[in-house]
Amino acid sequence: GAVVSQHPSRVICKSGTSVKIECRSLDFQATTMFWYRQFPKQSLMLMATSNEGSKATYEQGVEKDKFLINHASLTLSTLTVTSAHPEDSSFYICSARADRDTQYFGPGTRLTVL
Amino acid sequence: SQQGEEDPQALSIQEGENATMNCSYKTSINNLQWYRQNSGRGLVHLILIRSNEREKHSGRLRVTLDTSKKSSSLLITASRAADTASYFCATVSGSARQLTFGSGTQLTVLP
Repeated sequence: GAVVSQHPSRVICKSGTSVKIECRSLDFQATTMFWYRQFPKQSLMLMATSNEGSKATYEQGVEKDKFLINHASLTLSTLTVTSAHPEDSSFYICSARADRDTQYFGPGTRLTVL
Repeated sequence: SQQGEEDPQALSIQEGENATMNCSYKTSINNLQWYRQNSGRGLVHLILIRSNEREKHSGRLRVTLDTSKKSSSLLITASRAADTASYFCATVSGSARQLTFGSGTQLTVLP
């Protein structure tokens, strides 16, 4: 299957700092990418849909000013967690849409905010 | 929001046994997909079944779909220790075709 990478895989930061997570589709172009959040032993919750060249669409309850999404190219979407706090600690996973029904997932980024 | 529930939440079996996981959902769907997640890793797509299909096979995997009951099941036959993982169903609905995940089943296969 197609490959989606995420960077970094793990990040620890101090409260109040901003953290940027990159999601890249390595061998295909993706006009649409998705960002999910997963708490321990829970399911994935969709945070936002990232569309190349346009504004992201956020799910209800997700603060767009806190979770900034940029999809500047067909192979890269970034999620920036601004002014991170301990409650933002989570596992963040991106996916890239390859066709109408197929998404390929990145390996995830573990964010720990101290 | 989550589309529905999976049961059991956790399942522990011996190597060689079959594992069955069930998924229920709430709205009409275009298709339903099953994913596997090893601890702390990303998701791996296992199988997709469309709303007009009732059963699908892929290797040791068998998926059924009952749209009248809004439910699906995933059967893993002849399980192996390497099958230990969390398994999620995800539905695709509407024009946006976003994935909405179920609550997941943690499968442990004992050697």
